[in-house]
Amino acid sequence: GQQVMQIPQYQHVQEGEDFTTYCNSSTTLSNIQWYKQRPGGHPVFLIQLVKSGEVKKQKRLTFQFGEAKKNSSLHITATQTTDVGTYFCAGPIQGAQKLVFGQGTRLTINP
Amino acid sequence: EAGVVQSPRYKIIEKKQPVAFWCNPISGHNTLYWYRQNLGQGPELLIRYENEEAVDDSQLPKDRFSAERLKGVDSTLKIQPAELGDSAVYLCASSLVPRAPYEQYFGPGTRLTVT
Repeated sequence: GQQVMQIPQYQHVQEGEDFTTYCNSSTTLSNIQWYKQRPGGHPVFLIQLVKSGEVKKQKRLTFQFGEAKKNSSLHITATQTTDVGTYFCAGPIQGAQKLVFGQGTRLTINP
Repeated sequence: EAGVVQSPRYKIIEKKQPVAFWCNPISGHNTLYWYRQNLGQGPELLIRYENEEAVDDSQLPKDRFSAERLKGVDSTLKIQPAELGDSAVYLCASSLVPRAPYEQYFGPGTRLTVT
């Protein structure tokens, strides 16, 4: 079945350093979504990418969708302690109604 | 607007006991999802409702799990009997369909511990 893989599983950085997490799908995706889950919290929708090669920015966060629509990345510039959490990518199957989540990248930050 | 509401937030039960979780989605969201999230993993879909119809329950362990969404609004997920391996966070989410982009709004979850 379709799988969505994320790397790395964990990332620890010093505050102010950059951070990147990568997401790869075994199949072409119609779109890809990113969620953030704070420690002890629930996933919160960040963004959706739809077009091949699409790049979107949210302040210090840059999201990219690959040309083949099988991979994506999230890059955070100059991390802050508020960025701590687990970042999940999720790809839809079955007509965009069923999301398959990656296992997430857990970001911890040393202030 | 109010978010997705779930209760209880925490539940500790002994194995073989029954347990039930309740979810009230965002008003107007006709699609409701139940997910299970194991520690260190992403959410895994258990069941998806469109209005009151369960349109995808392929991942629901039907021997012990059941769910209902009467009147197409709030929903209940039940486990009977619970097993040690059922310890996890049970998340409810809702979305507004068919309007794109189908982002899902999650509730705070119920953390279940089976002892």
